[in-house]
Amino acid sequence: DVKVTQSSRYLVKRTGEKVFLECVQDMDHENMFWYRQDPGLGLRLIYFSYDVKMKEKGDIPEGYSVSREKKERFSLILESASTNQTSMYLCASSLYRALDYGYTFGSGTRLTVV
Amino acid sequence: QQQVKQSPQSLIVQKGGIPIINCAYENTAFDYFPWYQQFPGKGPALLIAIRPDVSEKKEGRFTISFNKSAKQFSLHIMDSQPGDSATYFCAARVSGYALNFGKGTSLLVTP
Repeated sequence: DVKVTQSSRYLVKRTGEKVFLECVQDMDHENMFWYRQDPGLGLRLIYFSYDVKMKEKGDIPEGYSVSREKKERFSLILESASTNQTSMYLCASSLYRALDYGYTFGSGTRLTVV
Repeated sequence: QQQVKQSPQSLIVQKGGIPIINCAYENTAFDYFPWYQQFPGKGPALLIAIRPDVSEKKEGRFTISFNKSAKQFSLHIMDSQPGDSATYFCAARVSGYALNFGKGTSLLVTP
């Protein structure tokens, strides 16, 4: 089974801190994605990447950046954490860009910014 | 702006009932429509998916109905069980781009 592993299940950070959320997949998937999940808002796309060193903005990229130096790892960076970034963050990967291949999600990182 | 509108927000049915979750979209370039199921503490998992050249797809107790002219698709769960209690997300995608998700439906199946 494909596994997408998010490094932390729960994180508590202070306002203004720089925060790194790490995601690793073990099945050589080209595509990786970061979503945030909030009650009543569903899943909203922050950034995605189709290849190493490639990144594309999603619907809500403000306040975030990403890094993909290796194919298996996709990091989400909160440059200066704010309380409105308190959320569940979900990483996902998929095999091909255009084919009907479902996403595999990690279990999520629940981030609280105080 | 939500590109996929999902309803209802929550749903309660008795065991054996047939919950129906509906989604609507505007972008006619969408060419792939999956449904995801999420249990508490877990990430969403792909449940079933359909392409717009098909009007219905069944996998076990789960059925997608697709109405291209109305730009709507729905998930039906036959003979629902308490173990189906979860949050369900519809999604849609333009080929080559990321999935756009609906806001989710919280389903509770009572014994």
